[in-house]
Amino acid sequence: DAMVIQNPRYQVTQFGKPVTLSCSQTLNHNVMYWYQQKSSQAPKLLFHYYDKDFNNEADTPDNFQSRRPNTSFCFLDIRSPGLGDAAMYLCATSSPDGADTQYFGPGTRLTVL
Amino acid sequence: AQSVTQPDIHITVSEGASLELRCNYSYGATPYLFWYVQSPGQGLQLLLKYFSGDTLVQGIKGFEAEFKRSQSSFNLRKPSVHWSDAAEYFCAVVGSARQLTFGSGTQLTVLP
Repeated sequence: DAMVIQNPRYQVTQFGKPVTLSCSQTLNHNVMYWYQQKSSQAPKLLFHYYDKDFNNEADTPDNFQSRRPNTSFCFLDIRSPGLGDAAMYLCATSSPDGADTQYFGPGTRLTVL
Repeated sequence: AQSVTQPDIHITVSEGASLELRCNYSYGATPYLFWYVQSPGQGLQLLLKYFSGDTLVQGIKGFEAEFKRSQSSFNLRKPSVHWSDAAEYFCAVVGSARQLTFGSGTQLTVLP
């Protein structure tokens, strides 16, 4: 089945230790998104790629970076995680159906010790 | 800019009862509207979407939603709730920037 895959599902890191979260898709969608979701809140868009074109949200901290080496893969790098970065990180892709329907992966739960 | 309001933070229903989750949107043009469901510790699953045409849309898991332009609403309904429907439900709209704007979510509890 075509899908969005995120690895790992659970990630524990230490305060200040860089961490990378991975997303891959078999849907061949040209747009990929990274969201941060804290407990009992709606997802918050961090950035997205339209093909290789990177689009950063204005309020995304500089601590968050992303790479998209090819259509299928996208990475979220947190350079120096703080306690406030503990959250669920969701990857999504969107289809060219005119309404940019987004399909989400299962998420990576990040814990910062 | 577009916005979405889900006025009910938490709803509790008994298994087998009917369900309606409210969603109101603000957007100047014809909206693209979505309902997503999120089980604990999981990603968001698309339940249904409205682009145009028939204002009553059918989704997965027996859900439906009705787009009412005059009320700026897109309420989600299910005639008979199952215990497995307990989850968080998000209404969302795609606006001019082609980005999803989410409501704050409604947590659904299902009583046996």
